Amino acid sequence: QKEVEQNSGPLSVPEGAIASLNCTYSDRVSQSFFWYRQYSGKSPELIMSIYSNGDKEDGRFTAQLNKASQYVSLLIRDSQPSDSATYLCAVNSGTGRRALTFGSGTRLQVQP
Amino acid sequence: DGGITQSPKYLFRKEGQNVTLSCEQNLNHDAMYWYRQDPGQGLRLIYYSQIVNDFQKGDIAEGYSVSREKKESFPLTVTSAQKNPTAFYLCASSTGGGGYYEQYFGPGTRLTVT
Repeated sequence: QKEVEQNSGPLSVPEGAIASLNCTYSDRVSQSFFWYRQYSGKSPELIMSIYSNGDKEDGRFTAQLNKASQYVSLLIRDSQPSDSATYLCAVNSGTGRRALTFGSGTRLQVQP
Repeated sequence: DGGITQSPKYLFRKEGQNVTLSCEQNLNHDAMYWYRQDPGQGLRLIYYSQIVNDFQKGDIAEGYSVSREKKESFPLTVTSAQKNPTAFYLCASSTGGGGYYEQYFGPGTRLTVT
């Protein structure tokens, strides 16, 4: 089992719709969770961080964390074509390595 | 402007040559990281440093070496022992270590070895 799992996609949504991106992780003691956006050929850009169970909203983005289910998600409301990118989920390892583990990413396509 | 710089943006080398990738940050961050990304893949951790003069191996350290003599600098050397060095190399930094803090990335160096 991979430490951080994401559906590779592509996830295709129409412009103006809600895009829902999901991520599961295996380390029960993980404490910090991040979503990055990566455009093709560019470096990842941090868009959300979440540390506690529940929802965290920032503009059109909402991160949701459920530690009991080891699940973190990212909702993008009113999706725009400029949101088309790969979204990477990252989780801290808790014990041992003390660094982030990244999922392979979900490619999002927003259709105009 | 505060940020992370990586140079060069593109690098071409012949097999058997060592090459050093530069990473500099002026964010006053304690921790710095090197990742490798292959096409269609996520990021894999090569080395990380939580403080000056200290660094730890990540998941794929074989064939790589680093140094952390200054807080703002964390160069990565790709040695000839690295079997598949062609990749996109990303440097990141964070306020503190442990993977707890937000990491910010530089623009990356795309290395091609032929």
